[in-house]
Amino acid sequence: AQSVAQPEDQVNVAEGNPLTVKCTYSVSGNPYLFWYVQYPNRGLQFLLKYITGDNLVKGSYGFEAEFNKSQTSFHLKKPSALVSDSALYFCAVRDPFRSGANNLFFGTGTRLTVIP
Amino acid sequence: DTEVTQTPKHLVMGMTNKKSLKCEQHMGHRAMYWYKQKAKKPPELMFVYSYEKLSINESVPSRFSPECPNSSLLNLHLHALQPEDSALYLCASKEIASTDTQYFGPGTRLTVL
Repeated sequence: AQSVAQPEDQVNVAEGNPLTVKCTYSVSGNPYLFWYVQYPNRGLQFLLKYITGDNLVKGSYGFEAEFNKSQTSFHLKKPSALVSDSALYFCAVRDPFRSGANNLFFGTGTRLTVIP
Repeated sequence: DTEVTQTPKHLVMGMTNKKSLKCEQHMGHRAMYWYKQKAKKPPELMFVYSYEKLSINESVPSRFSPECPNSSLLNLHLHALQPEDSALYLCASKEIASTDTQYFGPGTRLTVL
């Protein structure tokens, strides 16, 4: 069963506009949720995570994400997009089937393009 | 410092070659991971090491052989690979605690001819 889903393969936004990259999860218990960004031919860079506590999580490069338990969502947001934000974004959850290993299960990714 | 290093950055090998990928971290992390990522796809778990011992093998073919010689190093030995094994191989590490973050290396781009 899918643990985390990114419903949009591609998101386009104009520079300076707010951006949202969507993620929904389906795990029992308390989910540990993460956002990573990947630039072309590069590894994954950690942006932010939600473990517990405040539903609004602030991360690197001005990004933030809101954990919404009732909607089982963890959307990534930024108030004002930059061209340099153009990249592939992955939502991830701690693998709910192997909690001991603490490996990540990734969504399919969303390619964000910020148009100048 | 949250750096994970991987060498080489790029590797081209024939199907009869033997090569190794190397991953190193000096953050004191005791869990290390190998992921495989095909183009435009999410990373997929291959192996997990906890305290230098293999804890998960995701039914990876034996032509991939992981090794963790010490707490800072993780190797992936490659032998008799197939062209479909061409991918970006990512190493990651983290503290053992479940809430801690996985940090990824830049990856090795492998091409099998």
